[in-house]
Amino acid sequence: DAGVIQSPRHEVTEMGQEVTLRCKPISGHNSLFWYRQTMMRGLELLIYFNNNVPIDDSGMPEDRFSAKMPNASFSTLKIQPSEPRDSAVYFCASSLGYLAKNIQYFGAGTRLSVL
Amino acid sequence: GDSVTQMEGPVTLSEEAFLTINCTYTATGYPSLFWYVQYPGEGLQLLLKATKADDKGSNKGFEATYRKETTSFHLEKGSVQVSDSAVYFCALSDRDGNNRKLIWGLGTSLAVNP
Repeated sequence: DAGVIQSPRHEVTEMGQEVTLRCKPISGHNSLFWYRQTMMRGLELLIYFNNNVPIDDSGMPEDRFSAKMPNASFSTLKIQPSEPRDSAVYFCASSLGYLAKNIQYFGAGTRLSVL
Repeated sequence: GDSVTQMEGPVTLSEEAFLTINCTYTATGYPSLFWYVQYPGEGLQLLLKATKADDKGSNKGFEATYRKETTSFHLEKGSVQVSDSAVYFCALSDRDGNNRKLIWGLGTSLAVNP
């Protein structure tokens, strides 16, 4: 299995630009999670989906952030407009089922730098 | 609310030293407990888990015992290797499954020198 695939691995952009992060979950997994990791706040859950439906987006920091999952094999996290404080590593994870006790499999992450 | 507290890093050890990374938790119900590891440049991956009190999770020479009386899940390894250098995260979930989020510690960075 290829594992969770995220793209791009690195993204450098200027403040105000739109940023789109992409994720392909493990085939057969029906839950997908987006996390943000920073030194100050650690690992934060932004949103998660079950069967392509957003279940909890309470971790999305602002309206500038949006996430979609149009089908079982693809999800995007969009930031528009981006700000320097959005600089972080963004992880996507997938699992069989959305219960927290289910093992989550993480992608390698996208390191975002907003200048 | 539920929370996880890990010892602050970084932890620096010499090869073959004994490792302990402390993790304590606060939770209602009966959480499952996890240790995830993040190697440099990679995503997190599950290292071990325990689902009920007195369970011992083990993998790759690492062990952690679910201690309900002390609300702890300390990670240990008898002899660390350079390849164990990584960030280690403790996490909990509600065993009954009602808690749909993993609660994460802030992570503890481990550096093992040859």
